[in-house]
Amino acid sequence: EIVLTQSPGTLSLSPGERATLSCRASQSVSSSYLAWYQQKPGQAPRLLMYGASSRATGIPDRFSGSGSGTDFTLTISRLEPEDFAVYYCQQCGSSPRTFGQGTKVEIK
Amino acid sequence: QVQLQESGPGLVKPSGTLSLTCVVSGDSISSSNWWSWVRQPPGKGLEWIGETYHTGSTNYNPSLKSRLIISVDKSKNQFSLELTSVTAADTAVYYCARARGAFHYYGMDVWGQGTTVTVSS
Repeated sequence: EIVLTQSPGTLSLSPGERATLSCRASQSVSSSYLAWYQQKPGQAPRLLMYGASSRATGIPDRFSGSGSGTDFTLTISRLEPEDFAVYYCQQCGSSPRTFGQGTKVEIK
Repeated sequence: QVQLQESGPGLVKPSGTLSLTCVVSGDSISSSNWWSWVRQPPGKGLEWIGETYHTGSTNYNPSLKSRLIISVDKSKNQFSLELTSVTAADTAVYYCARARGAFHYYGMDVWGQGTTVTVSS
């Protein structure tokens, strides 16, 4: 089973600032089968990125993803008020398709 | 557009069986997608439960495998989850989701709204 470790646990930033979220895998994630999700309180998760660096439909270009192998990053270039939420990475390449524990992006 | 809707009892007794159904609209259960279940205990993160393909193929989380059955009903365009011998640790919001594509590259792009299941006597 691939274990995903996200850091930091909480990121305290102001609107307009840049957010950098990390996701590290315990073993290589095949073919960059790495997805990122955003979840707001009381809502289902929403797919942001797939294939490590491809934006899902309707996702603004302030969101970008990068990485390969065991180290992946989600970057939000300039935080908008609606971006404050919890973010999860998930590896989709092998079963079980595990999630990281999440990073909360909160308003400073 | 594609929509998923979970349904099932909100309260299950300890040692009982948790049964949920996810109805798919706007897409065929026989399309080249995997159909998944994910849960989230109160105040905690997401846990992948398992998935099924329209051929009947399944993959399960090893931590739940001995208690879990995920099945597909093509005639009703829906898929289901059965989790036996439940305990309080199975209390969670349960989501169904579509994992787009036959090879999982595209992530889970459509989610149900989630249904809360509480295990309590």
